[in-house]
Amino acid sequence: KNQVEQSPQSLIILEGKNCTLQCNYTVSPFSNLRWYKQDTGRGPVSLTIMTFSENTKSNGRYTATLDADTKQSSLHITASQLSDSASYICVVSGRSGSTLGRLYFGRGTQLTVWP
Amino acid sequence: KAGVTQTPRYLIKTRGQQVTLSCSPISGHRSVSWYQQTPGQGLQFLFEYFSETQRNKGNFPGRFSGRQFSNSRSEMNVSTLELGDSALYLCASSLTGQGNTEAFFGQGTRLTVV
Repeated sequence: KNQVEQSPQSLIILEGKNCTLQCNYTVSPFSNLRWYKQDTGRGPVSLTIMTFSENTKSNGRYTATLDADTKQSSLHITASQLSDSASYICVVSGRSGSTLGRLYFGRGTQLTVWP
Repeated sequence: KAGVTQTPRYLIKTRGQQVTLSCSPISGHRSVSWYQQTPGQGLQFLFEYFSETQRNKGNFPGRFSGRQFSNSRSEMNVSTLELGDSALYLCASSLTGQGNTEAFFGQGTRLTVV
């Protein structure tokens, strides 16, 4: 069964601290893995997108890693800011057959940054 | 370049009614996919259209249907609404819906069924 699981479900950190969010997936065949940030009541916004051949990708204070062998990914946020408070969703894209054109979503990690 | 536009932003309907939601993708994008987001289930895939053809479909009942027009705009219809259909409905557009093509989401339509 094609699934994406994220941990932790929620996380509270103080402003300026770093944090790491985890994602495990079983989607096959796999095309790419994306991390999205979703503010409450709004559509998700892409942070990073990685293919199976990429190990790491950065976007400002966001750094995503991917281990295609173990089917795990992480999103590291450095020097957190209040505006980082949001849900972070791991999304895996299928490549062919029944997974073609389909995105598989984790349930997200709700991050709250306190001043 | 205009982003993905979903209309309306908010809707209130009563049980048993039907509703049509609209999604205008980014110009040049031919793939449009629809998702339902609820607090309990997260984001769930409804269906994906490419060049006016439904290419993939999630596990939703037949009350949920969609279509795509020649200009790539897409509509989603839900008939015989149930209270459990209350959710944020998101559409995403991409060039081809395949490989590494980026998917851009609209702001969503918040549907409340009373």
